Amino acid sequence: DAGVTQSPTHLIKTRGQQVTLRCSPISGHKSVSWYQQVLGQGPQFIFQYYEKEERGRGNFPDRFSARQFPNYSSELNVNALLLGDSALYLCASSSDTGGYTEAFFGQGTRLTVV
Amino acid sequence: AQSVSQHNHHVILSEAASLELGCNYSYGGTVNLFWYVQYPGQHLQLLLKYFSGDPLVKGIKGFEAEFIKSKFSFNLRKPSVQWSDTAEYFCAVIPTGGGNKLTFGTGTQLKVEL
Repeated sequence: DAGVTQSPTHLIKTRGQQVTLRCSPISGHKSVSWYQQVLGQGPQFIFQYYEKEERGRGNFPDRFSARQFPNYSSELNVNALLLGDSALYLCASSSDTGGYTEAFFGQGTRLTVV
Repeated sequence: AQSVSQHNHHVILSEAASLELGCNYSYGGTVNLFWYVQYPGQHLQLLLKYFSGDPLVKGIKGFEAEFIKSKFSFNLRKPSVQWSDTAEYFCAVIPTGGGNKLTFGTGTQLKVEL
């Protein structure tokens, strides 16, 4: 079975631009979470979506938004990019959000803002 | 809000040496605890987790961790490391009932030399 897939793998954007990152969860998984991993730090929680509804949001500005589609894939959008948004963006999928279920991570999208 | 501290940022060991990586968390309630590993070029993978019961938990590839509630610690151990254990290791917590929102530590980069 395919794991969590993210696209693109690498991306270079200019300050002020907007970016969209994509994630396809493991088949059968209805929950998708997004994390930001800045170099030298651990992943930081951005959003969780379950059944197309936002179930959690981390401490990120409104420039960050996300959505989940009927097929449970998800997009993360970041507007008005700043240099500090340069990071590895990770997507994780899990089967349910009622309690803890193991999160499976994709390989991430490396975003560089210049 | 909860937080996780990993005090060893870089560890270098020779093959067959014993490993212990420290992890301390800060949270007033009960938590679920995790260790994730990221091998070079690969995605984050779950090594082991603690929810309740025996505070000594065993994970994949010979790793184990001990939860010491009085010390708010969840240290990772392996009696004899191998070159293939070279990776970055992340400790993470979820407050009990906190769904799938992981809070990660900053990570420990382990290098095992032949």
